[in-house]
Amino acid sequence: QSALTQPASVSGSPGQSITISCTGTSSDVGSYNLVSWYQQHPGKAPKLMIYEVSKRPSGVSNRFSGSKSGNTASLTISGLQAEDEADYYCCSYAGSRTYVFGTGTKVTVL
Amino acid sequence: QVQLVESGGGVVQPGRSLRLSCAASGFTFSSYAMHWVRQAPGKGLEWVAVIAYAGSNKYYADSVKGRFTISRDNSKNTLYLQMNSLRAEDTAVYYCARDEFRMDVWGQGTTVIVS
Repeated sequence: QSALTQPASVSGSPGQSITISCTGTSSDVGSYNLVSWYQQHPGKAPKLMIYEVSKRPSGVSNRFSGSKSGNTASLTISGLQAEDEADYYCCSYAGSRTYVFGTGTKVTVL
Repeated sequence: QVQLVESGGGVVQPGRSLRLSCAASGFTFSSYAMHWVRQAPGKGLEWVAVIAYAGSNKYYADSVKGRFTISRDNSKNTLYLQMNSLRAEDTAVYYCARDEFRMDVWGQGTTVIVS
């Protein structure tokens, strides 16, 4: 149950697009279309942004999108806004009813 | 509205026990699998355990297996986490979250400090 690998930080200017990667293995990300992404502002609970690789819950902006290729999942934020500045975590089903989170990425809006 | 409220956190000595609770409201609790997820100070999220909607199936992270027990009382709309043999590395904010594959609702968290 090793954590999925994410870049420690990603930054962008308002209006730009950024992409956060989430690299796992053939036992987790590569085997299941059950990757989800969470946004967490300081001192707050995580918020679901994407589930099942690319599905968006009701109420989440369509500026957020997800994809997967092989053992790597990605979250793209387009039209970056100041309110997007937060920590982002991926999570994958890892088989045998276990789950693994990513290491987390701090997004900074310049 | 749909809500999860954790309680039971506190300061506990190493080797002692603590039980966390997560009270659910605004949805049919008995229809959903539930998770516990924790976050150590300044660190990332760590999945801890999941329990099926009926409570019959329970699964754990290796880091807590044999020490923590997840359970639920669907008649009380409440999820529990019994934590035994606590260690300093169990210090964290503990969150409960709804739904097996997409953790779509989270509580505000309860803080456990083992010291």
